[in-house]
Amino acid sequence: QKEVEQNSGPLSVPEGAIASLNCTYSDRGSQSFFWYRQYSGKSPELIMSIYSNGDKEDGRFTAQLNKASQYVSLLIRDSQPSDSATYLCAVNRVGGTSYGKLTFGQGTILTVHP
Amino acid sequence: GAGVSQTPSNKVTEKGKYVELRCDPISGHTALYWYRQSLGQGPEFLIYFQGTGAADDSGLPNDRFFAVRPEGSVSTLKIQRTERGDSAVYLCASSPRGSSYEQYFGPGTRLTVT
Repeated sequence: QKEVEQNSGPLSVPEGAIASLNCTYSDRGSQSFFWYRQYSGKSPELIMSIYSNGDKEDGRFTAQLNKASQYVSLLIRDSQPSDSATYLCAVNRVGGTSYGKLTFGQGTILTVHP
Repeated sequence: GAGVSQTPSNKVTEKGKYVELRCDPISGHTALYWYRQSLGQGPEFLIYFQGTGAADDSGLPNDRFFAVRPEGSVSTLKIQRTERGDSAVYLCASSPRGSSYEQYFGPGTRLTVT
C-alpha cells in the first residue's frame, strides 16, 4: 500500500463546475496536509495547507480533512481552464526522524474544458 | 521577494561523471529540502537540513549521493559516478522556522545522464 494515494485521473470537468480531488494516507501519525498544483514542466506550487479536521476555504479552493478516515480532499469551485494541472497531495509526519519530510501522492491530472 | 533559486536549470552529463546541483533558499528560511521527481510521479524526499546539519538523510538512495549546507543557506547536492537511472528533476524547497511546515519549491534542475 502506498503511503499517500491519489487517483491519477485524468479528471475532466467543464468550465464553471466543481472539481473534487481526493487523497488517502496510511500513516496515522500524519499531522500536516498540503495540496500543491503543478503545471506541465514547472515545479509544485503550494495552494492549500490544512492541519485540523474540517474544512478550510481560500477563495475558490476548499480543503477538507478527516483524520479518522485518513482522508483529505480539495474542492475547486467555478473551475477555469487555467486550473488544468496536476494536483499533488502531500503529508508530513512531524516528530522523530521524519520531521520535515513531505510524502507525496503521484498526483491527479485535472483538465477543465471550455 | 525572491523565491527559491536552483542552478543549473538543465544539466546533461555522461554516465560515470560527477555533478553538483545548487539551491539558494528563500532568505530567512532555516529549513531546506531536496526532492527528486520522475515523470508521472510525485516528488520523492531525499534529504532535509535544519541550519547547517542534515536532520534527515533517509531518502538518499545510496552513497553516491551527498548534500551539504556549510553556512546554513545555500546547499549543494552532489552525485558521484552518475547512472542513467539518476535522470530526473531535482527539486529544492525551503521552509521558514516555525510550526507551519509549509515548503516552497524552486524551479528544479533537470538532470539527464546519457
